[in-house]
Amino acid sequence: RKEVEQDPGPFNVPEGATVAFNCTYSNSASQSFFWYRQDCRKEPKLLMSVYSSGNEDGRFTAQLNRASQYISLLIRDSKLSDSATYLCVVQGSGAGSYQLTFGKGTKLSVIP
Amino acid sequence: GAGVSQSPSNKVTEKGKDVELRCDPISGHTALYWYRQSLGQGLEFLIYFQGNSAPDKSGLPSDRFSAERTGGSVSTLTIQRTQQEDSAVYLCASSLFAGTSNEQFFGPGTRLTVL
Repeated sequence: RKEVEQDPGPFNVPEGATVAFNCTYSNSASQSFFWYRQDCRKEPKLLMSVYSSGNEDGRFTAQLNRASQYISLLIRDSKLSDSATYLCVVQGSGAGSYQLTFGKGTKLSVIP
Repeated sequence: GAGVSQSPSNKVTEKGKDVELRCDPISGHTALYWYRQSLGQGLEFLIYFQGNSAPDKSGLPSDRFSAERTGGSVSTLTIQRTQQEDSAVYLCASSLFAGTSNEQFFGPGTRLTVL
């Protein structure tokens, strides 16, 4: 089983749509969780951290379910500028706490 | 302020040649990381530095790969006798300290093509 699994997409949605991405992780000892965004041929950039209580940043909402080892990202009112690949990322604990483990990413295309 | 910088941005080399990739982390960041992103693959952790020491080299794919960091700042990743499967984007990241709650900031990467 891959450490971090994501649906690769692509997700093609019209402007204004709501889209949800899901991710599962295999290491139950993982401590920190993130969504990164990567534009074509660019470096990944942190979009938001993910907490068990859920967190929201404008149009973006992230949720973590530790029992199911499941992470989600919801984007409301999609904009053309949201088109990118969204990477689900987990970080371990103890000796593994320095290392980020990435999913392969979910590609989103927002179309006019 | 200045972000993580990497050079060269692109490198084309012939199979069997050695290459050296450079990373300049954000000033003051003590931790530095190397990752690799191959076509169709997720980012793969290679090595990390805390200061000048590399506590974990287990992510390096073979003994042809080595990395060093000097003065707690610049790092170089060296690939000897390059193979076609080494073709990838090599990304460097830095964080204030290692460990959780320390955001890793990525550089733009070096795109390596081995012919």
